[in-house]
Amino acid sequence: QQPVQSPQAVILREGEDAVINCSSSKALYSVHWYRQKHGEAPVFLMILLKGGEQKGHEKISASFNEKKQQSSLYLTASQLSYSGTYFCGTDRDDKIIFGKGTRLHILP
Amino acid sequence: ETGVTQTPRHLVMGMTNKKSLKCEQHLGHNAMYWYKQSAKKPLELMFVYSLEERVENNSVPSRFSPECPNSSHLFLHLHTLQPEDSALYLCASSQDVTSVTGELFFGEGSRLTVL
Repeated sequence: QQPVQSPQAVILREGEDAVINCSSSKALYSVHWYRQKHGEAPVFLMILLKGGEQKGHEKISASFNEKKQQSSLYLTASQLSYSGTYFCGTDRDDKIIFGKGTRLHILP
Repeated sequence: ETGVTQTPRHLVMGMTNKKSLKCEQHLGHNAMYWYKQSAKKPLELMFVYSLEERVENNSVPSRFSPECPNSSHLFLHLHTLQPEDSALYLCASSQDVTSVTGELFFGEGSRLTVL
């Protein structure tokens, strides 16, 4: 079972904030976030491990609530360069299983 | 540049053709992966190799045949494909096969169209 991401797509103006959610029906040990720009390879953003740890990467941060089996990615003061598709991945038998992705489009 | 190179970037083939996709990683990693990316679907894990040994075959049809001759190279051999196999095929590598702390490094993908 792949994780479920919401929303499927977001359109923002530059400088606005966004939250992307990722939930799983199974217990999680880790959550992985990647971003893929159009025509490019997916690029690693961060990994969150069990323990509710919050991490940050520039103005992008994420939280992980293993009790609720979900993670959220926070993009603050979004920049044009944040446009792309964001994927969360969850661990299953030592493999990463990805969600369908959330498309983020930033308007100037 | 992610250190993972895929060729060709684009491939068009007929249903009776035989072709291969190639992936090379310059990162010294021990694990390599094939993922399939179709429109509006999750990234689907197809195959996993650890130190040149296949450790996972995710119920992939036999018309897809992987080969890992060494830890730096991974191939995906294609034969008698179907139009629904048209997709972006992504290769990835990681230091080891354990996913808990392992970052995946992806190539830019090979866009396959089956006519």
